[in-house]
Amino acid sequence: AQSVTQPDIHITVSEGASLELRCNYSYGATPYLFWYVQSPGQGLQLLLKYFSGDTLVQGIKGFEAEFKRSQSSFNLRKPSVHWSDAAEYFCAVGVPGYSTLTFGKGTMLLVSP
Amino acid sequence: EPEVTQTPSHQVTQMGQEVILRCVPISNHLYFYWYRQILGQKVEFLVSFYNNEISEKSEIFDDQFSVERPDGSNFTLKIRSTKLEDSAMYFCASRSFENQPQHFGDGTRLSIL
Repeated sequence: AQSVTQPDIHITVSEGASLELRCNYSYGATPYLFWYVQSPGQGLQLLLKYFSGDTLVQGIKGFEAEFKRSQSSFNLRKPSVHWSDAAEYFCAVGVPGYSTLTFGKGTMLLVSP
Repeated sequence: EPEVTQTPSHQVTQMGQEVILRCVPISNHLYFYWYRQILGQKVEFLVSFYNNEISEKSEIFDDQFSVERPDGSNFTLKIRSTKLEDSAMYFCASRSFENQPQHFGDGTRLSIL
């Protein structure tokens, strides 16, 4: 069965600084990969997705992620963080023909002034 | 942009009572899901539903749980006799076709007293 690891529970970044949130997965082939964001009291909003093709994926709100097969990673990046980016970020994996998503435990992003 | 809507946003129920959580998926979507997130834990898959039947369910989804699509728009999750450990945020999700991402609602916070 597939699994997802987000090694950082909390990350604090200064506003305007760059951001990288780590995600590693375990699956025997190339999975489908997703990043979702959850603001307090809100649902899960899809940031970006990878199914196949170009390994650098652009998403909403200026986020991007890169699929690296050799490292089994799908790290999320943003060049300049805004205070409104403070939220919890979840990496998720699905498998081809998938019916379900397996989520990581999430990384809480705090943005300092 | 079309959204998945869930009602109520917060449900408080006595232990042992039945509860029904309601969801209206995005209108042209064919696949429907329930997930739950116990406070402080990861988002966990409960059940998926396609073509008017359950396509997959997790070990969490025992005989106390059921799902139904009673008409062309609603998708419900019923917990027959609630337990304290059912307290969680419950998310509904839907997707259109294969190789499309799941879109989530804002969730229903279920509190069992």
